[in-house]
Amino acid sequence: DAEITQSPRHKITETGRQVTLACHQTWNHNNMFWYRQDLGHGLRLIHYSYGVQDTNKGEVSDGYSVSRSNTEDLPLTLESAASSQTSVYFCASSTGTVTGELFFGEGSRLTVL
Amino acid sequence: AQSVTQLGSHVSVSEGALVLLRCNYSSSVPPYLFWYVQYPNQGLQLLLKYTSAATLVKGINGFEAEFKKSETSFHLTKPSAHMSDAAEYFCAVSDTGFQKLVFGTGTRLLVSP
Repeated sequence: DAEITQSPRHKITETGRQVTLACHQTWNHNNMFWYRQDLGHGLRLIHYSYGVQDTNKGEVSDGYSVSRSNTEDLPLTLESAASSQTSVYFCASSTGTVTGELFFGEGSRLTVL
Repeated sequence: AQSVTQLGSHVSVSEGALVLLRCNYSSSVPPYLFWYVQYPNQGLQLLLKYTSAATLVKGINGFEAEFKKSETSFHLTKPSAHMSDAAEYFCAVSDTGFQKLVFGTGTRLLVSP
């Protein structure tokens, strides 16, 4: 079965370190998204991609970067982790139709000490 | 920009009682609206979506939602709550651009025996 997987599921890191969260989907979807989930804020869009070599900033992109070198993967990098980036991160993918369903990974819980 | 507001961060019902989760949207164009459910330690999954075909939308697990343009609302209902419905529910609107969903802050549904 096609799926979307995130790794690691849990990570603890220190302020200032670089962190990369992996996202891999086997749906062959063009669209991929990274959201962060925080209490009281719901999910907020960090970055998104509509295809290989395409990346775009979302509403909370400061301090994060992504790259899309193939269809399956959209890694999220925190260049210099900050305590404010402690959160649960969700990757999602979709076919590309405007009303199509987003398929979510199970999330990566990141703690920055 | 489009946005959604979910009234009530927590809703408590008894098993068998009516479930009503509220969502109001703000959109300058006819919106596409979605309800997603998140079970503990899992990603989000689609419950139902409104794409202008019909104002009453039926979803999975007995949930439905009615699009009311005059009230700018898209409330989620279920006639009879089950213990397995306990989860967090998110309303979302599709922002301008392909599937850039803007999520509400979420409502946690608690179901008591």
